[in-house]
Amino acid sequence: NAGVTQTPKFRVLKTGQSMTLLCAQDMNHEYMYWYRQDPGMGLRLIHYSVGEGTTAKGEVPDGYNVSRLKKQNFLLGLESAAPSQTSVYFCASSKREYNEQFFGPGTRLTVL
Amino acid sequence: AQSVTQLDSQVPVFEEAPVELRCNYSSSVSVYLFWYVQYPNQGLQLLLKYLSGSTLVKGINGFEAEFNKSQTSFHLRKPSVHISDTAEYFCAVTSGFGNEKLTFGTGTRLTIIP
Repeated sequence: NAGVTQTPKFRVLKTGQSMTLLCAQDMNHEYMYWYRQDPGMGLRLIHYSVGEGTTAKGEVPDGYNVSRLKKQNFLLGLESAAPSQTSVYFCASSKREYNEQFFGPGTRLTVL
Repeated sequence: AQSVTQLDSQVPVFEEAPVELRCNYSSSVSVYLFWYVQYPNQGLQLLLKYLSGSTLVKGINGFEAEFNKSQTSFHLRKPSVHISDTAEYFCAVTSGFGNEKLTFGTGTRLTIIP
């Protein structure tokens, strides 16, 4: 039981490049989330999903897109990376909305 | 709108001393409250949560928190800290209404001094 896994762990992009971050969970959770963590700002919700095939915007969705084609996977895409997107990205999942959220180990992204 | 304030960004404590990490929230409705811990270079994991019932909540690793509705607080406490408690601690709140999601505080970095 791996829990929540994220790939890649690290990535460096140039401004304007695109990339996709993959989150996978093996706990059969309905809800999945993408957060970004910046120094002094805590975690901010980017997008979330309440089930396969559904996505919704969080607090800071601009510049990101997501997809949830399979229940166990939640993809976060950056179409044209900007330096302001340099951050640590965390994926999380939960069985129901107010249950414990289980977090992945994070992806450290640097945009030059 | 809901919000969480963690006034202390850093808290240094001597090993085996008690510690309290402060969390205050604002919400116009009833709330669910959480404390998460983040060890260096790891994701967050749940320490404890308050959903309803007893206002004193016990969590993992000897931590506990008390929900105080009149003071809108949910402070985290441990009577005797260990080096392994060095981490960043996040308080989070949700009202559970509509589309309100979990709102995190900015975190408190707990440093244990040997």
